Amino acid sequence: GNSVTQMEGPVTLSEEAFLTINCTYTATGYPSLFWYVQYPGEGLQLLLKATKADDKGSNKGFEATYRKETTSFHLEKGSVQVSDSAVYFCALSDLVSSYKLIFGSGTRLLVRP
Amino acid sequence: ETGVTQSPTHLIKTRGQQVTLRCSSQSGHNTVSWYQQALGQGPQFIFQYYREEENGRGNFPPRFSGLQFPNYSSELNVNALELDDSALYLCASSLAGGHPTYEQYFGPGTRLTVT
Repeated sequence: GNSVTQMEGPVTLSEEAFLTINCTYTATGYPSLFWYVQYPGEGLQLLLKATKADDKGSNKGFEATYRKETTSFHLEKGSVQVSDSAVYFCALSDLVSSYKLIFGSGTRLLVRP
Repeated sequence: ETGVTQSPTHLIKTRGQQVTLRCSSQSGHNTVSWYQQALGQGPQFIFQYYREEENGRGNFPPRFSGLQFPNYSSELNVNALELDDSALYLCASSLAGGHPTYEQYFGPGTRLTVT
């Protein structure tokens, strides 16, 4: 079945460092891919998405490119801020599974001043 | 525009009891999905309701059931609670059965503790 694998955290960075969080997926067909962010004590917020191969999603300085050949959707940011500290979830959805979101286990990011 | 709201915020129940969690979808949204998020894990899909009908179900036993009302708000019911049901329960509202063209908006969740 469909699944998402994320790098384990926590990831600890200094402010202004470069961020990469790896995400790979297994799916039949052509899923849409998402990154969600969860701040402490809150629900999930959509950060960015890509709906077809080679699409690049971007938002708030974060980017991820849908790579079908490597089944990956890695999250990157050139310069992280303390306010980016949160848990990041990679997810996919497709028509076969009635558009339910399938999430990875999450990666906690801690940015130090 | 009101976002997705959930009630209650926190709940403590005893094993074997029943619980009802509620979700008010964002204005204009006709689709509600429920997820269970265990501590330190990603959310797991429970089921989805689209225009008052169940539109997909995850790998959860029948003691997890739901409803969607004509105003598209929704309830999640869990019978015969088990300790492993302790989790954050999230609902998400969207349009068109959750088609990825439309964003899914998540509520803040209900934290359920089963003792």
